[in-house]
Amino acid sequence: NAGVTQTPKFRVLKTGQSMTLLCAQDMNHEYMYWYRQDPGMGLRLIHYSVGEGTTAKGEVPDGYNVSRLKKQNFLLGLESAAPSQTSVYFCATFTGRNEKLFFGSGTQLSVL
Amino acid sequence: GIQVEQSPPDLILQEGANSTLRCNFSDSVNNLQWFHQNPWGQLINLFYIPSGTKQNGRLSATTVATERYSLLYISSSQTTDSGVYFCAVRNTGFQKLVFGTGTRLLVSP
Repeated sequence: NAGVTQTPKFRVLKTGQSMTLLCAQDMNHEYMYWYRQDPGMGLRLIHYSVGEGTTAKGEVPDGYNVSRLKKQNFLLGLESAAPSQTSVYFCATFTGRNEKLFFGSGTQLSVL
Repeated sequence: GIQVEQSPPDLILQEGANSTLRCNFSDSVNNLQWFHQNPWGQLINLFYIPSGTKQNGRLSATTVATERYSLLYISSSQTTDSGVYFCAVRNTGFQKLVFGTGTRLLVSP
């Protein structure tokens, strides 16, 4: 039982390159979230999903796209990376009822 | 949207001391959680506590929903308690969990 798995753990991109971050969960949770955390800051919500086939914007969605084609996977895409997207990205899952949120271990992304 | 404020922003303790961290929120909530982010960046869920009091070892938490605040108590602090503590809340009827800006704790030996 792996819980919430994020891949990759580290990535370095050049400005303008694209990439996809994968979040996979085996807890059968309905809700999935992508957050970013900048140095010394809290977590800001990028996009989220409340079930397979659904997505919605969070606080800071610009420059990112997401897809939830399967319940267990939530993908975060950067179409044209910018240095301002250098951050640590966390995925989290939640049943949607009043229970705990579970986090993946994070992806450290640097855009040069 | 709902606002979440945590205090103090920074806290330095000697090992063995006790501390209280506070989380204030601006609207009614049906979900409140406390997290610890360790120095390696891992986020660990400490408590799910939308109301009432819970204890887990040296940590305990109390949420007074009617007054819109929650407190996290750390007793007999250890160096391994260092890191950042976040509270997160969800508005009644909303789908998102909103995080506070955190309290950075450093426990020195």
